[in-house]
Amino acid sequence: SQTIHQWPATLVQPVGSPLSLECTVEGTSNPNLYWYRQAAGRGLQLLFYSVGIGQISSEVPQNLSASRPQDRQFILSSKKLLLSDSGFYLCALEARAGNTIYFGEGSWLTVV
Amino acid sequence: QKEVEQDPGPLSVPEGAIVSLNCTYSNSAFQYFMWYRQYSRKGPDLLMYTYSSGNKEDGRFTAQVDKSSKYISLFIRDSQPSDSATYLCAMSAVTGGGNKLTFGTGTQLKVEL
Repeated sequence: SQTIHQWPATLVQPVGSPLSLECTVEGTSNPNLYWYRQAAGRGLQLLFYSVGIGQISSEVPQNLSASRPQDRQFILSSKKLLLSDSGFYLCALEARAGNTIYFGEGSWLTVV
Repeated sequence: QKEVEQDPGPLSVPEGAIVSLNCTYSNSAFQYFMWYRQYSRKGPDLLMYTYSSGNKEDGRFTAQVDKSSKYISLFIRDSQPSDSATYLCAMSAVTGGGNKLTFGTGTQLKVEL
């Protein structure tokens, strides 16, 4: 079965500091990968998706970037965090064989 | 107007009650409909997945899609305290590059003993 690992699970970062959130998946090859953000009281917002190594599509203009250096690795980054970057970041995968999307356990980011 | 509307609740019901959770949407291109359950501070878990209109049943859960009304529902029979969570509806249209889900904001459900 498919497994999604995200780390760190929780972090507190000062404004202006860099960010790196990592997501790795197991149990599937060549998946579509996604980064979502969930702010308090709001739905999930799609930030980036990737259909293959090095292929990144951005859904909203923002202070974040994403990279996919390996088939099963997806990284979310920022050079300088803003207060508004605080939230719950979720990595998700879609196996090539289906249309269903599965989420990891998420990373809680608080920018102070 | 949001593409997907969902009553945030909270919805409080007694154990054993039938729960009805609903979403409306405006984009007629949506064809895939999902319900996720999210416990506090956890990632969402996929509960139900349906394509196009109709009903789908899985144990105590029934998902219903009415594309003519742009309305989807999730019914929970014999609700249990362990069903207490936030329920998110999600939907997507077929796209060429990635399955981009549009989510409702979630309905918070509490099942009380």
